[in-house]
Amino acid sequence: AQRVTQPEKLLSVFKGAPVELKCNYSYSGSPELFWYVQYSRQRLQLLLRHISRESIKGFTADLNKGETSFHLKKPFAQEEDSAMYYCALSGNQGGKLIFGQGTELSVKP
Amino acid sequence: GAVVSQHPSWVICKSGTSVKIECRSLDFQATTMFWYRQFPKQSLMLMATSNEGSKATYEQGVEKDKFLINHASLTLSTLTVTSAHPEDSSFYICSASLTTNYGYTFGSGTRLTVV
Repeated sequence: AQRVTQPEKLLSVFKGAPVELKCNYSYSGSPELFWYVQYSRQRLQLLLRHISRESIKGFTADLNKGETSFHLKKPFAQEEDSAMYYCALSGNQGGKLIFGQGTELSVKP
Repeated sequence: GAVVSQHPSWVICKSGTSVKIECRSLDFQATTMFWYRQFPKQSLMLMATSNEGSKATYEQGVEKDKFLINHASLTLSTLTVTSAHPEDSSFYICSASLTTNYGYTFGSGTRLTVV
């Protein structure tokens, strides 16, 4: 079964501090993994996906198949990064997307 | 590109009535759409997968007779909440999968309040 776990409900850091949002997954095959961000009162937006291996807004995420993790990192958090972050998994391209519980990131000045 | 328009953005209805939510792909054809439900400060829970021209596939625990999904064209999927009750009050979000890059695009959501 597909499952995505984000252990932290809330992560609070100061501006300029490093950030790591944890994501672990359970899937028997080779999944596609995504990070989505939801700013206040806005729709869900794609932040990055593991197959692209690109950095968006300074965020990066590396797929670790051994640890079944896809943690999201940013070296220096900014106040505008405050939002809900969701890790998501798809078992096959274009197939259903399953979300983790979400982590609320709060970046304080 | 790849925009999904969801309508209405919010709706209030009386208990016992039905409400229809529309999800349209504006500049692409969406053979597959997904419907999610989101409670405040919680994750998106997948309700069903909607395939154009065929019956929707519902996730375990989702009542198909309560949440009717129709995907009659490549640009429109609808979710009808039948005989709504206050416990159906929630945020409903649709999503479409993109065959070009196998990504996903999301609607802006519909806030349903049943009184």
